[in-house]
Amino acid sequence: EDKVVQSPLSLVVHEGDTVTLNCSYEVTNFRSLLWYKQEKKAPTFLFMLTSSGIEKKSGRLSSILDKKELFSILNITATQTGDSAVYLCASGGYQKVTFGTGTKLQVIP
Amino acid sequence: EAGVTQFPSHSVIEKGQTVTLRCDPISGHDNLYWYRRVMGKEIKFLLHFVKESKQDESGMPNNRFLAERTGGTYSTLKVQPAELEDSGVYFCASSLGLGWEQFFGPGTRLTVL
Repeated sequence: EDKVVQSPLSLVVHEGDTVTLNCSYEVTNFRSLLWYKQEKKAPTFLFMLTSSGIEKKSGRLSSILDKKELFSILNITATQTGDSAVYLCASGGYQKVTFGTGTKLQVIP
Repeated sequence: EAGVTQFPSHSVIEKGQTVTLRCDPISGHDNLYWYRRVMGKEIKFLLHFVKESKQDESGMPNNRFLAERTGGTYSTLKVQPAELEDSGVYFCASSLGLGWEQFFGPGTRLTVL
């Protein structure tokens, strides 16, 4: 059965800190690794990674995939209170996407 | 551009009743997915449509769940009769192509009493 494991389950940091969220996966027919941010309602898309070693960046967020170790990390630098959310990692095959349980990040002033 | 929309936002029903959830995908997205998150668990895949055809319904829990996408536009997910364990948040997502990033709707919270 496909499996995605995220760590830590939750994290509390102060504004300005840098955080690293981890995601490991075991998926048949792997196609992509996806990161989403979920605040109140819909998970919002952050990154899709398909190739190892290529960092994707968007502002203070960046992510990288290691297909050999079946692992991805999401980095957030200079965290702000608005980064508080649940960060979901998901592994996509050609059809369905398998989600991890998420990492709950709380950024306090 | 409008995102994925879902209706209703929240539904509270009694055990044994029927509920129908609706999803309107992003215009032009042929791929539509249903997911469910029950309390404390991860989001789980239910099924996938390409246009009006079901491509994969391996995640549907049992035959009390029926999804349709007549005409290949919006989709409905009917639960009949609802049981207590059906409570959770039902998400819909759509994507332009197979394997492309999926854009999620806000979810429908279903509470079965």
